[in-house]
Amino acid sequence: EDKVVQSPLSLVVHEGDTVTLNCSYEVTNFRSLLWYKQEKKAPTFLFMLTSSGIEKKSGRLSSILDKKELSSILNITATQTGDSAIYLCAKALDSWGKLQFGAGTQVVVTP
Amino acid sequence: NAGVTQTPKFQVLKTGQSMTLQCAQDMNHEYMSWYRQDPGMGLRLIHYSVGAGITDQGEVPNGYNVSRSTTEDFPLRLLSAAPSQTSVYFCASGESGRGQPQHFGDGTRLSIL
Repeated sequence: EDKVVQSPLSLVVHEGDTVTLNCSYEVTNFRSLLWYKQEKKAPTFLFMLTSSGIEKKSGRLSSILDKKELSSILNITATQTGDSAIYLCAKALDSWGKLQFGAGTQVVVTP
Repeated sequence: NAGVTQTPKFQVLKTGQSMTLQCAQDMNHEYMSWYRQDPGMGLRLIHYSVGAGITDQGEVPNGYNVSRSTTEDFPLRLLSAAPSQTSVYFCASGESGRGQPQHFGDGTRLSIL
């Protein structure tokens, strides 16, 4: 079955910890891999990855794609309570924007 | 700049009722789509459109209809609501043909009794 799998499903960390989230996908119809952050409402875009081995960074967040392993990781360093959210991984199936999402990882950062 | 606007934010329906979820975007995006989000299942694609007059089915289209008469609007219709359609619905839009990330609305929380 063609699907996107995220792990872990949830985790609780303390402020200042580093978090690593995993996403694996099947190669069928792969165009790119996207990460979104979802707090109370709309998912907001974090990264889009198309090339293997090239890290993308934004502040304390970074992400990298491994096309050989069909996976991606999202790292959050020096976590803050504002990082508490659901992090969604999605595979783009075409260049128009058709997305297949994983179930998400719930991250809770405690003070 | 409003982005993607969804209305209503909350709705309670009785089984068998019909309703339309509204979605409008002001970014002149050709691509628009509807997802539903259920606990533990991420977002699943219901229907999408690559431009005015063109729509197609996604992963879970049964029980839903869409139309795209203008670039800005992409309403989702529930013809005869069922409890299984209780969910949070998100509309998204993006620039077509460039692999750009989707912009999401704030969602409509729908409960079917």
